[in-house]
Amino acid sequence: DSGVTQTPKHLITATGQRVTLRCSPRSGDLSVYWYQQSLDQGLQFLIQYYNGEERAKGNILERFSAQQFPDLHSELNLSSLELGDSALYFCASSLSGAQFFGPGTRLTVL
Amino acid sequence: AQSVSQHNHHVILSEAASLELGCNYSYGGTVNLFWYVQYPGQHLQLLLKYFSGDPLVKGIKGFEAEFIKSKFSFNLRKPSVQWSDTAEYFCAVIPVDSSYKLIFGSGTRLLVRP
Repeated sequence: DSGVTQTPKHLITATGQRVTLRCSPRSGDLSVYWYQQSLDQGLQFLIQYYNGEERAKGNILERFSAQQFPDLHSELNLSSLELGDSALYFCASSLSGAQFFGPGTRLTVL
Repeated sequence: AQSVSQHNHHVILSEAASLELGCNYSYGGTVNLFWYVQYPGQHLQLLLKYFSGDPLVKGIKGFEAEFIKSKFSFNLRKPSVQWSDTAEYFCAVIPVDSSYKLIFGSGTRLLVRP
């Protein structure tokens, strides 16, 4: 158990819909990272937040957005969902250096 | 652009065989280096990390990795694999004085036959 929690574990929705994924970092970690893992794209960095502010952006689509709240938990919002958005979405947290990953949310878009 | 290359996409070994997984990165500055493991159906777990100091790093479960700066490499090794080592292994790099983003390799799937 890494100490990073993510909800929900599984999410099944339809194309065009919007979903919100939630992540709670390890106690004391200020940085939260979001990743997408799919069979064809591998592990892709989406976005990083540090103490409430966006710090780095990766291959995140405009339909996706994220935020980090004052209590340091983070949400990833995915809208206008497409079939290709089906993937595992991981959150990770760190204080400095090594990132610790949560169990992931498996998103299935039908 | 900064990138991480893992040369072997699939590796099949018998139990007790020795393992070496290659990892090379493209960045000329200071880096932090990591190996993560993802067991089937599970999330990524940190195996070991290198920030500075002794380039031979020991991690959990008998794994070790050696940082060779001149070769931009951080290969993962284990002298004797077990069936339970069957997993996908990811090398990752943080360019310290650049983006601070964790850049992952494409992963190596290891299958250990009993």
